[in-house]
Amino acid sequence: QLQLQESGPGLVKPSETLSLTCTVSGGSISSSTYYWDWIRQPPGKGLEWIGNIYYNGNIWYNPSLKSRVTMSVDTSKNQFSLKLTSVTAADTAVYYCARHEARINWFDPWGQGTLVTVSS
Amino acid sequence: DIVMTQSPDSLAVSLGERATINCKSSQSVLYNSNNKNSLAWYQQKPGQPPKLLIYWASTRESGVPDRFSGSGSGTDFTLTISSLQAEDVAVYYCQQCYSPPYTFGQGTKLEIK
Repeated sequence: QLQLQESGPGLVKPSETLSLTCTVSGGSISSSTYYWDWIRQPPGKGLEWIGNIYYNGNIWYNPSLKSRVTMSVDTSKNQFSLKLTSVTAADTAVYYCARHEARINWFDPWGQGTLVTVSS
Repeated sequence: DIVMTQSPDSLAVSLGERATINCKSSQSVLYNSNNKNSLAWYQQKPGQPPKLLIYWASTRESGVPDRFSGSGSGTDFTLTISSLQAEDVAVYYCQQCYSPPYTFGQGTKLEIK
C-alpha cells in the first residue's frame, strides 16, 4: 500500500525559504504512471494545489505561486521536495504531498500533512 | 483558471436524511475524448487529509459506502448522501481534474441537525 510522509521544519521566519520533503513508501516514485503533487491548506480554509513533478523532472506549477516555487525529485531516495521562497504569514498552512495518475488528475493517496507556520 | 463554487457553505441534516451538496465549475470539465466529466469529490475530517470519495463525477472509490453518490455533467455537479450517518460529519470538497492548475471548491461543512 502506497504511503506518503511529509517532513521538514514546522516554523519558518518571514522572508525565508520553506523546504519540505515527501518520502514515498510502498511504491516507486519512478513509475511512469504517476505525478507527485504538493497541496496546501491554510488553517480553517480550503485547498490550494501548488504543483507537481514527474519522475523525469517535468514540472507543473500553479501560476499563482510559480515565481516562488521549486520542486525536485530524488529517485534514489524515493523522495520529492518543495521549496517556497520569500514566505509570509499567508504561507502558513498544512502542506500535503499526494499522488495522481497521469491523465485522470485526482489525488490519491495523500500524506498526513505537516503544519508549517511562518512567524518570527 | 477554472473556478469551482460549492453551495451551500454549510449544511445541517438529520440522521438518516438526505444531504445534497452542489458544485459548479466556471467552464465545462467534460472530456470529449471519453465523454467523462473530470470532477472528483473528497471528504475531510478534522486533523485528517482529504479522502477521495468520487471520481469521474459519479464513480465511487473502492470502499466508499453506496450511500454516497455523484451526479452531474458539464459545469454542474452534485454529491448526495442518501441517508446521513454520524460518521459523515466532515467538510466536502469538489475538485476539477480537467486542467492545471487543479482547483477545488471552497468546501461544504456538513453537520448533524
